[in-house]
Amino acid sequence: EAGVVQSPRYKIIEKKQPVAFWCNPISGHNTLYWYRQNLGQGPELLIRYENEEAVDDSQLPKDRFSAERLKGVDSTLKIQPAELGDSAVYLCASRISGGGTDTQYFGPGTRLTVL
Amino acid sequence: AQSVTQLGSHVSVSEGALVLLRCNYSSSVPPYLFWYVQYPNQGLQLLLKYTTGATLVKGINGFEAEFKKSETSFHLTKPSAHMSDAAEYFCAVSTTGGFKTIFGAGTRLFVKA
Repeated sequence: EAGVVQSPRYKIIEKKQPVAFWCNPISGHNTLYWYRQNLGQGPELLIRYENEEAVDDSQLPKDRFSAERLKGVDSTLKIQPAELGDSAVYLCASRISGGGTDTQYFGPGTRLTVL
Repeated sequence: AQSVTQLGSHVSVSEGALVLLRCNYSSSVPPYLFWYVQYPNQGLQLLLKYTTGATLVKGINGFEAEFKKSETSFHLTKPSAHMSDAAEYFCAVSTTGGFKTIFGAGTRLFVKA
């Protein structure tokens, strides 16, 4: 079974530039998460999707961050414009909804450096 | 509101020694509790989880954790450390069936030869 796929793995941009991250979850996983992990910290939720619906985006900085999951499968997270403080690892995770399962499966992350 | 506190941002043990990583949680309802491991430049991998039932939970790579409600703790242990155990470990709590998970700040484990 293929795991959660993320691309790119690394991205270096200058501040004020736009950037986008892509995530393809495990097949059949209808719940998808985007997390931000700052250096030396645990992951913090940005947004959670159930199929194509964003059901929890309370922690997403909506002035510069946006996300979409148009067909309920893969997802894109965008930052425009990027700021120095956005430097972090952006993790995508997925899980199956319902059925009593509760395990999230994480991708390898995208390490963003904003100069 | 839920929260997780991991005691000690860094833990160093000798190879073959006991590993003990501490985690305390705060939750107003029965929690789901998780331990994840993260190797450099990789995502998080589930080590073990507690949802209901037996309070001593066994995971992969010889790790186990015990849920102690009276102490609001979920400490991670391994009897004998191996060099390959060197990584970052995250404790996490969820009270919504695992849909929304709060992570601790992590503990980096160093294993000395």
